[in-house]
Amino acid sequence: DIQMTQSPSTLSASIGDRVTITCRASQNCITWLAWYQHKPGKAPNLLIYKATDLEGGVPSRFSGSGSGTEFTLTITSLQPDDFATYYCQQYYTYPWTFGQGTKVEIK
Amino acid sequence: QAHLVQSGTEVKKPGASVKVSCTASGYTFTNYGLSWVRQAPGQGLEWIGWISGDSGDTHYAQSFQGRVTMTRDTYTSVAYMEMRSLRPDDTAVYYCVRVLGPTRDYYHMDVWGDGTTVTVSS
Repeated sequence: DIQMTQSPSTLSASIGDRVTITCRASQNCITWLAWYQHKPGKAPNLLIYKATDLEGGVPSRFSGSGSGTEFTLTITSLQPDDFATYYCQQYYTYPWTFGQGTKVEIK
Repeated sequence: QAHLVQSGTEVKKPGASVKVSCTASGYTFTNYGLSWVRQAPGQGLEWIGWISGDSGDTHYAQSFQGRVTMTRDTYTSVAYMEMRSLRPDDTAVYYCVRVLGPTRDYYHMDVWGDGTTVTVSS
């Protein structure tokens, strides 16, 4: 199985901050990687697919980069609605696997 | 607009089975697949498996092999996930999630159902 490791596990940030979350895969995923935002009591929401493609309706302050084994999610100017947990997920090979999550908290 | 509606909360005893449904609307069911993902309390997301909306082909995570069965009804656009021999650590919110294609190729998940809470307790 491909292990996905996110860092940091928790991130404290202020409104307007630039935030970067890293996801490392134990094997090459090419660019078959997605990012999701998850808020308590709600279903996760797709942000990025194929490592860099922004899902329709997602604000442009979200962006993804990377390939192979290292990927990054960046939020250029953190907004109040962005406080949530973020997960990366590879869909290169079964079983699909998620990172353990990065919780973005208010500083 | 694609939409997935799941069945309601379930409470089961250890050793029992549960069958969760996921009703799709707003898209052509057979052009896509469906995955099931769960989140146990205080834990992250865990992928359970995938079913093709077209062929009914399935793939399950090894940790659920032999204990889970995914099926679909193309006439009603409903997918089902049955899990047997439930244990307390199966307590979780279970989500169905649309997959962007009907085959095992490199398709991501996009639309998520609202989740079904399954509690396993004696």
